[in-house]
Amino acid sequence: RKEVEQDPGPFNVPEGATVAFNCTYSNSASQSFFWYRQDCRKEPKLLMSVYSSGNEDGRFTAQLNRASQYISLLIRDSKLSDSATYLCVVTSPNDYKLSFGAGTTVTVRA
Amino acid sequence: ETGVTQSPTHLIKTRGQQVTLRCSSQSGHNTVSWYQQALGQGPQFIFQYYREEENGRGNFPPRFSGLQFPNYSSELNVNALELDDSALYLCASSLDGPGGQETQYFGPGTRLLVL
Repeated sequence: RKEVEQDPGPFNVPEGATVAFNCTYSNSASQSFFWYRQDCRKEPKLLMSVYSSGNEDGRFTAQLNRASQYISLLIRDSKLSDSATYLCVVTSPNDYKLSFGAGTTVTVRA
Repeated sequence: ETGVTQSPTHLIKTRGQQVTLRCSSQSGHNTVSWYQQALGQGPQFIFQYYREEENGRGNFPPRFSGLQFPNYSSELNVNALELDDSALYLCASSLDGPGGQETQYFGPGTRLLVL
């Protein structure tokens, strides 16, 4: 079983729509959680950290469910510029590596 | 931009050859991690260097090796290249200690094609 699994999509949504997707992780001891954004042929960039209480950054909301071992990302009022691959990332205690999912592709159309 | 730079940006090699990729970390960062990203996949951890020592390694064979220099820049070397080594190679720098959890900032990557 992969450490981090994501629905690859693609999610094709119109501008202004809301889109949400999940990621599951296998290690119950996982400590830190992140969403990274990756544009085509570019490097991943940190979008937001995910906290146990859930957190919001503008139009983006991230949730963590430790009991079910998944995290989610919701994008409200989608913009064309939100088109990208969203990578779910987890770390484990005393671990030095980021464990990435394969990514969820979102395409926002005009 | 993150301040992490990588060279070269693109590279074409043939099977069996050797390649060296370079990474300059963000100013003040002492830790460099290397990742391999195959097409359609997420980045996979290769190894990390902290203060010139290897600080952890992923599931990659010994022909993947690295170095970190006193200025914290780093090299990734791959010997006996195979077709499956074709990928985007990313380095990420952070200000860290062993087992640290500090944010990692990625460079633009080196795109390697093995023919």
